[in-house]
Amino acid sequence: AQSVSQHNHHVILSEAASLELGCNYSYGGTVNLFWYVQYPGQHLQLLLKYFSGDPLVKGIKGFEAEFIKSKFSFNLRKPSVQWSDTAEYFCAVNGGYSSASKIIFGSGTRLSIRP
Amino acid sequence: EAGVAQSPRYKIIEKRQSVAFWCNPISGHATLYWYQQILGQGPKLLIQFQNNGVVDDSQLPKDRFSAERLKGVDSTLKIQPAKLEDSAVYLCASSLDYSGGEETQYFGPGTRLLVL
Repeated sequence: AQSVSQHNHHVILSEAASLELGCNYSYGGTVNLFWYVQYPGQHLQLLLKYFSGDPLVKGIKGFEAEFIKSKFSFNLRKPSVQWSDTAEYFCAVNGGYSSASKIIFGSGTRLSIRP
Repeated sequence: EAGVAQSPRYKIIEKRQSVAFWCNPISGHATLYWYQQILGQGPKLLIQFQNNGVVDDSQLPKDRFSAERLKGVDSTLKIQPAKLEDSAVYLCASSLDYSGGEETQYFGPGTRLLVL
């Protein structure tokens, strides 16, 4: 069965620190991968997504993620975080077009940035 | 562009009561999703509509939950009767179309349900 693991439940960083949030998935076929973010008091919104092509994906606000197929991973990175990056981050996966499977979300990682 | 609208924003009921949530997707979006998000967990898909047809409802507890999307626009999700474990945030999302999973979903603010 499909699953998504986000091992870091709460990450605390200082401004300007580098960020890497882990995401591992379990799925045997072609996948689409997503990172969604929920800022305090706001709706869930898409940060970036991968469905084919270059495994290094650029998103909004300086975020990027790298799809490593051999490791079943899609880690989120940012070289220098800001206080405004404080939010909850969700990794999600679904099967590719041929399987048309439903999207599965991880349990989320809460990121707190110290000013 | 108006976003996904949901109402009510908060609801408190007693167990065994009924409750209904309403969602209005972004205009022109063919696909609509309902999710349940329990505290400390990620959203779990309950049901997905493509226009007014159901694409996936495999995780919808059909003995107590029901959903409809009349005319392929607005949707309602109902719980009857509610249980304590139904306490959660119910999220509605929409996407332009269903293109095999690549599409971006746009989420509403959610309805926070507390069952006492």
